[in-house]
Amino acid sequence: DVKVTQSSRYLVKRTGEKVFLECVQDMDHENMFWYRQDPGLGLRLIYFSYDVKMKEKGDIPEGYSVSREKKERFSLILESASTNQTSMYLCASSVSNQPQHFGDGTRLSIL
Amino acid sequence: DQQVKQNSPSLSVQEGRISILNCDYTNSMFDYFLWYKKYPAEGPTFLISISSIKDKNEDGRFTVFLNKSAKHLSLHIVPSQPGDSAVYFCAASGMQGAQKLVFGQGTRLTINP
Repeated sequence: DVKVTQSSRYLVKRTGEKVFLECVQDMDHENMFWYRQDPGLGLRLIYFSYDVKMKEKGDIPEGYSVSREKKERFSLILESASTNQTSMYLCASSVSNQPQHFGDGTRLSIL
Repeated sequence: DQQVKQNSPSLSVQEGRISILNCDYTNSMFDYFLWYKKYPAEGPTFLISISSIKDKNEDGRFTVFLNKSAKHLSLHIVPSQPGDSAVYFCAASGMQGAQKLVFGQGTRLTINP
């Protein structure tokens, strides 16, 4: 069974802080994704990666960056956290032609 | 601009009856569609998918119908069970297996005993 693990279930940070969200998958998937989920908006893609050291912008990349130094790990970075980045963040992984598998999410609050 | 829309934020159905969840899309380049189910405090899990070369795909109690001319798809759950209570998201992509998905807003389904 595919396991996508997000390092924190809940996180509280302050405005202006640099925030790291970590995601690890154990199935050697080449594709990894970061989404945010907000009420009434569904899931929106922030960044994705098809391979190590490779990244592509999703639909809402502003204010975020990512890092993929190893195949199993995909990090989302909030360079300078703002209150409008308070959200549920979901990581997913997949192999091509197969549905994405999601982690359980990190609920991030920016005060 | 919401390319994938689920216009019903919530739906309540009696146990044993049929649940029908609807999804509309605007981008004619979408040709692969998926439904995900999400319980509180868990990530979405894949439920069923359909390619644009088909108009129906069935998996047990779950059937997805695709009407390309109307740019509309629906998920039918028969019979509905209490464990089906969850938020359902439809998603679309530009080619089968292509990994950039566009999600709808979600519909919260409640199955009443």
